Amino acid sequence: QSVLTQPPSVSEAPRQRVTISCSGSSSNIGNNAVNWYQQLPGKAPKLLIYYDDLLPSGVSDRFSGSKSGTSASLAISGLQSEDEADYYCAAWDDSLNGQVFGGGTKLTVL
Amino acid sequence: QVQLVQSGAEVKKPGASVKVSCKASGYTFTSYDINWVRQATGQGLEWMGWMNPNSGNTGYAQKFQGRVTMTRNTSISTAYMELSSLRSEDTAVYYCARVGATVSSGMDVWGQGTTVTVSS
Repeated sequence: QSVLTQPPSVSEAPRQRVTISCSGSSSNIGNNAVNWYQQLPGKAPKLLIYYDDLLPSGVSDRFSGSKSGTSASLAISGLQSEDEADYYCAAWDDSLNGQVFGGGTKLTVL
Repeated sequence: QVQLVQSGAEVKKPGASVKVSCKASGYTFTSYDINWVRQATGQGLEWMGWMNPNSGNTGYAQKFQGRVTMTRNTSISTAYMELSSLRSEDTAVYYCARVGATVSSGMDVWGQGTTVTVSS
């Protein structure tokens, strides 16, 4: 059971927009920044969003992040087949004194 | 370019220990924390702990307390993660990752992963 809760899977058609939710608590998302990672099949994770809504250099602006209270979301617009991957949210947890991840969401582009 | 290169795959017997290395290049090794994250086949990411390469200070996830040790050799810009008393459930890909300026900056550079297989 992951500390942060994500839907196991989402799917959408090419060129459409999809959102992935991440639900936590006051000890993690509610009090700390959320980061998002993309993991392509067979590859190491890649930082996609940091500090809730900032894009690292080189990441497409089709990706965006937001946070409200103890929940966060990742949105991907203009879906492409290359976006098919697993997506993870993460945040520091003050109670556990450690980093926690969501269980991951598998994105399928139909 | 900035990169982390990890040591090769390992096969260990239950009860043994494994030590995975993570060599940094392209940046000042002592300026960024290193995290270790593992992933069992078909499962999600699991954070194991962090190390400050400058001070050597560490912090471990409660699950691994007493079994994991994170160290470094600054002269060769290399971080190490040693996991002891291995069991089959420790079979996973182990990643090292650089933490940005603060923990809120996320893990911005990842190693390629090291597969550790625990089998009798």
